[in-house]
Amino acid sequence: EAAVTQSPRNKVAVTGGKVTLSCNQTNNHNNMYWYRQDTGHGLRLIHYSYGAGSTEKGDIPDGYKASRPSQENFSLILELATPSQTSVYFCASGDRTGGDAETLYFGSGTRLTVL
Amino acid sequence: QQKVQQSPESLTVSEGAMASLNCTFSDRSSDNFRWYRQHSGKGLEVLVSIFSDGEKEEGSFTAHLNRASLHVFLHIREPQPSDSALYLCAVRGGDTNAYKVIFGKGTHLHVLP
Repeated sequence: EAAVTQSPRNKVAVTGGKVTLSCNQTNNHNNMYWYRQDTGHGLRLIHYSYGAGSTEKGDIPDGYKASRPSQENFSLILELATPSQTSVYFCASGDRTGGDAETLYFGSGTRLTVL
Repeated sequence: QQKVQQSPESLTVSEGAMASLNCTFSDRSSDNFRWYRQHSGKGLEVLVSIFSDGEKEEGSFTAHLNRASLHVFLHIREPQPSDSALYLCAVRGGDTNAYKVIFGKGTHLHVLP
């Protein structure tokens, strides 16, 4: 079974500070995703990646950067955190297998509070 | 842009009674549908995937897809209190969303003992 690990589980940051959320997956999936989950909005895609060295903008990329230095690791970076970025962030990995479209495997989430 | 909407927002059923959740999508060319479950404070776990019209069963979960009517349903047979969670519909594909997965906002299911 896919294993996706996020760190930290909880983070409190100050407005204007830099925040890095980390994600590690151990199943050699090509694709990785960052979502945020907010009440009333559901899950929204921030950035995604097709493999090491690639990052693509999702639906709400403003204020976020992503980095995929290796197959296993995908980071989400908030250079100048704002209170509007207070949310729960989920990382997911996935890969196409057997001709079926991919299943996403999610981490347990990071709860970020920006004061 | 693909729109995915779920109803009801909240559903309460008694233990053992069938629970039915609805998901509507806007792009009829979508080809990839999944139902996920999220317990409070946890990540998402996939329950059932369906790629063609008809039904797909995984344990006590059955997905029913009707692309013509733009609906995908989730039926939960004999739910238990441990099935109380947020249920999310995820849709991918379509002319303008060939790769991205779009999630609905979810249905909160409460199963009473």
